[in-house]
Amino acid sequence: AQSVTQLDSQVPVFEEAPVELRCNYSSSVSVYLFWYVQYPNQGLQLLLKYLSGSTLVESINGFEAEFNKSQTSFHLRKPSVHISDTAEYFCAVISGGYNKLIFGAGTRLAVHP
Amino acid sequence: NAGVTQTPKFRVLKTGQSMTLLCAQDMNHEYMYWYRQDPGMGLRLIHYSVGEGTTAKGEVPDGYNVSRLKKQNFLLGLESAAPSQTSVYFCASGPEMGSTEAFFGQGTRLTVV
Repeated sequence: AQSVTQLDSQVPVFEEAPVELRCNYSSSVSVYLFWYVQYPNQGLQLLLKYLSGSTLVESINGFEAEFNKSQTSFHLRKPSVHISDTAEYFCAVISGGYNKLIFGAGTRLAVHP
Repeated sequence: NAGVTQTPKFRVLKTGQSMTLLCAQDMNHEYMYWYRQDPGMGLRLIHYSVGEGTTAKGEVPDGYNVSRLKKQNFLLGLESAAPSQTSVYFCASGPEMGSTEAFFGQGTRLTVV
């Protein structure tokens, strides 16, 4: 069975600083990877995904993630964060068909002024 | 454009009481899911459905039952609530073809005392 490990439960960072949220997954023949974001008191929203093709994927709000097969990682990065990026971020992988998601434990990103 | 709607948003139950959480989606999605979110554990799949009249167990199904009598609705039942079922419950839906994205509701915060 697939599994996902998010190495940091909390990441504090100052506004306009770069950030990296780490995610590792268990190895599989094929893997579909996702980052979801949860703003306070809301549901989850898809931030970006890797299905195939280019290993670098980007979101519309400046985040990017790189699929690294040899390191089984899918780290999320942003070169300059804003206060509005404060949220919980979940890495996830599809497992076992029917698009069922296996989630990591989540990383709480706190952006300070 | 409602998307995925969960009812109720908050509920407090006494141990042993029963209740049903309702999830409704207006996107004509085949797949629907119930997850629970607990601190430090991310989201875990309780039950899922791949079409009207079908249901299947997920990762943590014990203590829950589900029904999908209509394509747009997915009900999660707790027959005899326990304090261990205190959690935030999220419903999600997704299409069978064309996309791997899951669309989440706003969540139901359930406390069992």
